[in-house]
Amino acid sequence: DTEVTQTPKHLVMGMTNKKSLKCEQHMGHRAMYWYKQKAKKPPELMFVYSYEKLSINESVPSRFSPECPNSSLLNLHLHALQPEDSALYLCASSQDWGNSYNEQFFGPGTRLTVL
Amino acid sequence: AQRVTQPEKLLSVFKGAPVELKCNYSYSGSPELFWYVQYSRQRLQLLLRHISRESIKGFTADLNKGETSFHLKKPFAQEEDSAMYYCALNPRGSGTYKYIFGTGTRLKVLA
Repeated sequence: DTEVTQTPKHLVMGMTNKKSLKCEQHMGHRAMYWYKQKAKKPPELMFVYSYEKLSINESVPSRFSPECPNSSLLNLHLHALQPEDSALYLCASSQDWGNSYNEQFFGPGTRLTVL
Repeated sequence: AQRVTQPEKLLSVFKGAPVELKCNYSYSGSPELFWYVQYSRQRLQLLLRHISRESIKGFTADLNKGETSFHLKKPFAQEEDSAMYYCALNPRGSGTYKYIFGTGTRLKVLA
């Protein structure tokens, strides 16, 4: 399996809801990433996990809470979001963290709409 | 500051014409540079990276450290090349190992 999968594909939630985005890879990669992509903009890095430990948090608001339960899974827990958080959320993985040559493999994304 | 600049938001060319997508970077160290492509309704995927010096789908890109550029070129554009192209910098030696993406160029190849 050489793909990063993400569920759900689409999510609509209210500002008081709690929801989670899920990402999975079975390529044996030890680095996983969350990006946010607004329409017609490049991906913006949110979090990096390396060997299941949080390595980078790009000053993301606490209403976004990442979790890496094991080396294949990455979750993003959402709570009390704002309408401006509506975006495409991309997950990516790479062989490891700390090697700048590594290609990142991206998932198809979850399109999130916050009402 | 580390930065990637793609000056063209949109580039339209006719099928069979040469294509050059511009990418300039700002980084004082030794960069690792990549081109990623996003076709309509598909995921973002690697097109090529400078370290490999390879040609993918007829595209090539040469790192020019003097001009701090990594332009993407193809001699004869095809309609299936229409997509969003992002240049990305991974600042080797900075200790951060995270991609800095340019703002992207949408390539439209006209029949």
